[in-house]
Amino acid sequence: QKEVEQNSGPLSVPEGAIASLNCTYSDRVSQSFFWYRQYSGKSPELIMSIYSNGDKEDGRFTAQLNKASQYVSLLIRDSQPSDSATYLCAVINAGNNRKLIWGLGTSLAVNP
Amino acid sequence: NAGVMQNPRHLVRRRGQEARLRCSPMKGHSHVYWYRQLPEEGLKFMVYLQKENIIDESGMPKERFSAEFPKEGPSILRIQQVVRGDSAAYFCASSRGAPGANVLTFGAGSRLTVL
Repeated sequence: QKEVEQNSGPLSVPEGAIASLNCTYSDRVSQSFFWYRQYSGKSPELIMSIYSNGDKEDGRFTAQLNKASQYVSLLIRDSQPSDSATYLCAVINAGNNRKLIWGLGTSLAVNP
Repeated sequence: NAGVMQNPRHLVRRRGQEARLRCSPMKGHSHVYWYRQLPEEGLKFMVYLQKENIIDESGMPKERFSAEFPKEGPSILRIQQVVRGDSAAYFCASSRGAPGANVLTFGAGSRLTVL
């Protein structure tokens, strides 16, 4: 089992719809969770960070964390074509080196 | 406040040559990370450094690859005797402190092409 798993997609949604991106992780005691967005040919940029169970909202983005079920999700409301990108989930493991573990990313396509 | 600066942005080398990639972290950041990304693939962790120290190099190939972050100057990722399989985007990221509550900020990347 991979430490951080994401569906590679592509996830295709129409413009204006809600895009739901999911990420599961294997280290039960992970503490910190991040969503990054990467446009094709560009570097990753931070979208959201979340540290406690529940929802965290920032504009059209909502991160949801459920530690009991070991998943973190990202919801994008009113999806726009400019949201088309690869979304990377990253998790801090709880080991001594507190390494940041990355998922392979989910490709999102928002169709006008 | 300039972000993470990487250079060169594009580098072309012939097989057997050396490639040197440089990374200047954000102001106030003392932790540097190097990642490699092959086309259509995910980020692969290579090495994590603090000033003058390698903290974690578990993702670095055992041969030909080395990294440093000297007391003065940028972090350097060095690839000796490059092969075609080294062609990739190499991203540097920095953070103020250790991973955890300190998020990583990425540079624009250096794209290495080996002919």
